[in-house]
Amino acid sequence: DSGVTQTPKHLITATGQRVTLRCSPRSGDLSVYWYQQSLDQGLQFLIQYYNGEERAKGNILERFSAQQFPDLHSELNLSSLELGDSALYFCASSVDPPGEQYFGPGTRLTVT
Amino acid sequence: GESVGLHLPTLSVQEGDNSIINCAYSNSASDYFIWYKQESGKGPQFIIDIRSNMDKRQGQRVTVLLNKTVKHLSLQIAATQPGDSAVYFCAELYYGNNRLAFGKGNQVVVIP
Repeated sequence: DSGVTQTPKHLITATGQRVTLRCSPRSGDLSVYWYQQSLDQGLQFLIQYYNGEERAKGNILERFSAQQFPDLHSELNLSSLELGDSALYFCASSVDPPGEQYFGPGTRLTVT
Repeated sequence: GESVGLHLPTLSVQEGDNSIINCAYSNSASDYFIWYKQESGKGPQFIIDIRSNMDKRQGQRVTVLLNKTVKHLSLQIAATQPGDSAVYFCAELYYGNNRLAFGKGNQVVVIP
């Protein structure tokens, strides 16, 4: 158990919908990272927050957004969902960037 | 976790033998390298890291070697055990953009 929690574990929704994925980092970790893992693209970095502020941005679509709240939990919002957004979404946390990252169990998103 | 890509390189190794997993990274300016292990149904798990000013680092049963001249990273696992069966990812980090970029992954199958 990495200490990082993610909810929900599974999510099935229709194209065009919007979903929110939630992540709670390990106690004491200020950085939160979001990754997308799909069969054809592998593990792709999406975005990073550090103590509430966006720190780095990766291959995140404009339809996706994220934020980190004062209690350090983070949410990833995915809107106007497409079939190709079906993937595993992982959250990771670390004490400070770029430190060793601890990954949560992931949220499996299926868009139908 | 899910297989990353339909055609992951696969290493089959007899239990008790040593394993060597190779990775070619892309950015000659990368500052920090990490090996992660991903077991089925789980998020990536940190194994070992190495900074760019080092060429070798040892952990418990694992050794990472870094050859910056040819941009090559390897992970050696001593006395491979069935629990080592997983997908292994190398990742590189450039402090300039703070983005962790993952390789495609290597599947290791340990034969009892």
